[in-house]
Amino acid sequence: NAGVTQTPKFRILKIGQSMTLQCTQDMNHNYMYWYRQDPGMGLKLIYYSVGAGITDKGEVPNGYNVSRSTTEDFPLRLELAAPSQTSVYFCATDRGYYGYTFGSGTRLTVV
Amino acid sequence: AQSVTQPDIHITVSEGASLELRCNYSYGATPYLFWYVQSPGQGLQLLLKYFSGDTLVQGIKGFEAEFKRSQSSFNLRKPSVHWSDAAEYFCAVGAEVGTGNQFYFGTGTSLTVIP
Repeated sequence: NAGVTQTPKFRILKIGQSMTLQCTQDMNHNYMYWYRQDPGMGLKLIYYSVGAGITDKGEVPNGYNVSRSTTEDFPLRLELAAPSQTSVYFCATDRGYYGYTFGSGTRLTVV
Repeated sequence: AQSVTQPDIHITVSEGASLELRCNYSYGATPYLFWYVQSPGQGLQLLLKYFSGDTLVQGIKGFEAEFKRSQSSFNLRKPSVHWSDAAEYFCAVGAEVGTGNQFYFGTGTSLTVIP
């Protein structure tokens, strides 16, 4: 049982480039989330989804976009990468206050 | 607004010693409280959670936490620390956002275990 799978694990982008961070879960959870983690700052919610076709902004959505066409997949899109988006990104799922299951993260550096 | 404070950025304990990590929260309703652990280069793993009922909750790896409403605290404890417990620990409070569940995380406490 894979749980939550994130790809890639590492990526270096140049300023202005775009990329998609992939997140796939096999637990059939409706709720999915994208967080970013910066040193000393904890985790900040970027976007979340309560089911296929439904997404909403979190605390820090600027510079990102998401889509949710299936229950399993919740990709995060960066259109014009900026150095401020250098961070570790975590995808998570939840079936309602049981606590998140996290992916192993994507470490992104924008240079 | 919901918030979580972990006052200790870094703690060092000797192997075999007891451990207490502090967590204070701000939340208007009955909180859902969680502790997560993150090993280097890994995602976060749920240690334990509190929803209601008994204020002392048991988790994995020998950890426990006590909910104290009067102090708005949810401190994590372990009677005897093992070297493998060295990691980053995050406290979180759950809140409903729209129809989803958002968790507000503290900034974390880094634990070092010395032999």
